[in-house]
Amino acid sequence: QVQLRESGPGLVKPSETLSLTCNVSGGSISTYYWTWIRQSPGKGLEWIGYFSNVGRTKYDPSLKSRVTISVDTATNQFSLRLHSVIAADAAVYYCARGQVIAGTPQHYYVDVWGKGTTVTVSS
Amino acid sequence: QSVLTQPPSVSEAPRQRVTISCSGSSSNIGKHAVDWYQQVPGKAPLLLIYYDYLVPSGVSSRFSGSKSGTSASLAISGLQSEDEAEYFCAAWDDSVNALVFGSGTQVTVL
Repeated sequence: QVQLRESGPGLVKPSETLSLTCNVSGGSISTYYWTWIRQSPGKGLEWIGYFSNVGRTKYDPSLKSRVTISVDTATNQFSLRLHSVIAADAAVYYCARGQVIAGTPQHYYVDVWGKGTTVTVSS
Repeated sequence: QSVLTQPPSVSEAPRQRVTISCSGSSSNIGKHAVDWYQQVPGKAPLLLIYYDYLVPSGVSSRFSGSKSGTSASLAISGLQSEDEAEYFCAAWDDSVNALVFGSGTQVTVL
């Protein structure tokens, strides 16, 4: 059974870069759509983006200019980098596994979530 | 403000049936399948229903999903105290080109 665990600093200064890593255990990282989602009291659940099984990335348009998601198959980990953070970026960040059901249109959904890690933005 | 609209709360007595609605538009629910998640405070969301009505292995058959037009519903039958949680719908949205979530519905078992 695949398990995901986020790690990274819990405190980031405004204008700096938030960097989180997700360790994938119990399964290969070479397939699936590796996804980041965040949750804050003010905005609810917010999809950040994914890195697909063929190396394609897709990001929420509102974050696209500041986000990078990457996968390291050697370590079975994937990462999130969010540049120029602001107070509104404070949230619980979840890494997750996405799957796709082929069809027209295809259906992308998130089936496994990490426990989440809290990120605070403050100087 | 969420793209998908859910009632803030619903409540029902034990062993009864409750339904949660999720209202969207032609760019999301009207075109794409809907998923449902359960979230207990302090925990990560858990997938309950995917592709409108499919139930993942290990999830109770008391949970069921349906969709009609631009709205979807989650039903919980035989309500139990352990079902007290927040429930979210999700669907792809072509107008924002992103996965969008509902605002969440708190279920209370009376």
